[in-house]
Amino acid sequence: AQTVTQSQPEMSVQEAETVTLSCTYDTSENNYYLFWYKQPPSRQMILVIRQEAYKQQNATENRFSVNFQKAAKSFSLKISDSQLGDTAMYFCAFMWGSQGNLIFGKGTKLSVKP
Amino acid sequence: DAGVTQSPTHLIKTRGQQVTLRCSPKSGHDTVSWYQQALGQGPQFIFQYYEEEERQRGNFPDRFSGHQFPNYSSELNVNALLLGDSALYLCASSFDRGAYEQYFGPGTRLTVT
Repeated sequence: AQTVTQSQPEMSVQEAETVTLSCTYDTSENNYYLFWYKQPPSRQMILVIRQEAYKQQNATENRFSVNFQKAAKSFSLKISDSQLGDTAMYFCAFMWGSQGNLIFGKGTKLSVKP
Repeated sequence: DAGVTQSPTHLIKTRGQQVTLRCSPKSGHDTVSWYQQALGQGPQFIFQYYEEEERQRGNFPDRFSGHQFPNYSSELNVNALLLGDSALYLCASSFDRGAYEQYFGPGTRLTVT
């Protein structure tokens, strides 16, 4: 069975600085996708960034980038130039195949301080 | 372009009662997945509907059932409610033959007393 582990329950960062959230996963599959979702206090789950396992190049979306290490089964999220609006729960998620279900980690609560 | 919508926003029920939650997918999406998110936890997959049939199911008892309508909207039904069913219920939609990202609605907060 696939599992997703986020080892940092809480993190904080100063505004404008950089922070990295960790995620590891366990799977024997080859065709899978990885995601980072953000859930602010308003509770709407928002897709931040995605990575296809078959792509070697790390995904980037504006201030958000990932470090995808397939052999190590590691998928960390780097947030550059942190903003107050980045304060939220961040969930790492795994999907096997293109129409499977999402398997989530327990989340990391990120606080951005002014 | 309307995103995923869910109703109601909040719901309070008593143990043993039955509840129905509703979801309308994002325009152009044909697949609906339901997740249960307990307080302080990540979402857990309940089931997924495509072409009006349950395509996948997570580790949830038969008290949890669903339906998808021809317009792709979906319902989640929970019978014989338990205190442990108190959670945020999230609906996510996607397009079966397109991009695989799932887009989430704002959720329904269910409290069982």
